[in-house]
Amino acid sequence: DVKVTQSSRYLVKRTGEKVFLECVQDMDHENMFWYRQDPGLGLRLIYFSYDVKMKEKGDIPEGYSVSREKKERFSLILESASTNQTSMYLCASSFLLGLTSGGDTTDTQYFGPGTRLTVL
Amino acid sequence: AQSVSQHNHHVILSEAASLELGCNYSYGGTVNLFWYVQYPGQHLQLLLKYFSGDPLVKGIKGFEAEFIKSKFSFNLRKPSVQWSDTAEYFCAVNMWDDKIIFGKGTRLHILP
Repeated sequence: DVKVTQSSRYLVKRTGEKVFLECVQDMDHENMFWYRQDPGLGLRLIYFSYDVKMKEKGDIPEGYSVSREKKERFSLILESASTNQTSMYLCASSFLLGLTSGGDTTDTQYFGPGTRLTVL
Repeated sequence: AQSVSQHNHHVILSEAASLELGCNYSYGGTVNLFWYVQYPGQHLQLLLKYFSGDPLVKGIKGFEAEFIKSKFSFNLRKPSVQWSDTAEYFCAVNMWDDKIIFGKGTRLHILP
């Protein structure tokens, strides 16, 4: 079974604090993703990474940064947390999905349990 | 910009009713299509997916979806819902790169 784990299920931080959210996957997936999930807005992609040290901005990267030093680990960083970053954060991983790898559509995304972050 | 639209934000049905949840996307190229489900308090999990071939795909728990390319649609169906289908359902589309774009979700509530 694919396992995607996130470092915390619940986190409470104060405005202005630096926050690290960690995600680890054990299936040697190339791709890793960070989303935030808010009621009525679905999942919105913050950043994704298709290889070590590679990153691409998603739809809402402002206020966030990421780090991928090892293939299995993808960190989301809130440099200075703000109250509008209170949300559920979901990490996902996958093999290459095929449209950028010649049609070898071998897999889909697997999600972690999520981290519910509250910024006071 | 590419987008995914789910027609209903909240659906309430009685047990044994038939279900159809709409999903449309805006992109003219090749796509991969997914439906995910999130049961209360649980992870997002894949319900079914379409990559190529037969446009009618079957997933877990009796769900199916039909890809209609001319309508840019991938609607989810189930002929007879159960109380345990109460969950939030997300349509998702993988377009020209390895990003996946999600719809805003549909909350399905089944009355026992």
